[in-house]
Amino acid sequence: NAGVTQTPKFQVLKTGQSMTLQCAQDMNHEYMSWYRQDPGMGLRLIHYSVGAGITDQGEVPNGYNVSRSTTEDFPLRLLSAAPSQTSVYFCASKSTGTEAFFGQGTRLTVV
Amino acid sequence: SQQGEEDPQALSIQEGENATMNCSYKTSINNLQWYRQNSGRGLVHLILIRSNEREKHSGRLRVTLDTSKKSSSLLITASRAADTASYFCATDLGMRGAQKLVFGQGTRLTINP
Repeated sequence: NAGVTQTPKFQVLKTGQSMTLQCAQDMNHEYMSWYRQDPGMGLRLIHYSVGAGITDQGEVPNGYNVSRSTTEDFPLRLLSAAPSQTSVYFCASKSTGTEAFFGQGTRLTVV
Repeated sequence: SQQGEEDPQALSIQEGENATMNCSYKTSINNLQWYRQNSGRGLVHLILIRSNEREKHSGRLRVTLDTSKKSSSLLITASRAADTASYFCATDLGMRGAQKLVFGQGTRLTINP
């Protein structure tokens, strides 16, 4: 099992560009989520999904879109990148009432 | 605002000493989880304690949960240099159809040799 796989690991974008961060899990978890972590801070929830076809907003959803067409994949789209979106992004998956498994993170810089 | 608040924000102790970190939260939970994050790395799950449990052990880790005070503590005994990391509590609200896991801002633990 690969667990949770995030790609890319590093990305530099210019302001206004769009991109998609990929996240895939092979544990058949129903719940997947995206977080961002700013320097010296905890994780803030961007969007989450409780199953294929179901998504909802977290604490900081503005500027991001998600979709969940399959159980395995949960991509995060940045619509028009801004410097304020410079951060480290983590994808996680879990089952009901269990611990979360995290990807290794994507370090995004918007210039 | 974030559900969990860790205290202290930073803790520096000597190797061999015990380290205690506290977490307070605001709403009813299904379970509370503790994670460790080494600098620049992803989060690693340490221990999960359910709302009907009061204490749980795993190796050198001891977690307590007081649902009446909406608080939890993580104790690391006989600390080692390798325990240097940030520690986060996360609350699983367990609401039907939600299953949100909400993190606090973390405690940065430094173990001095």
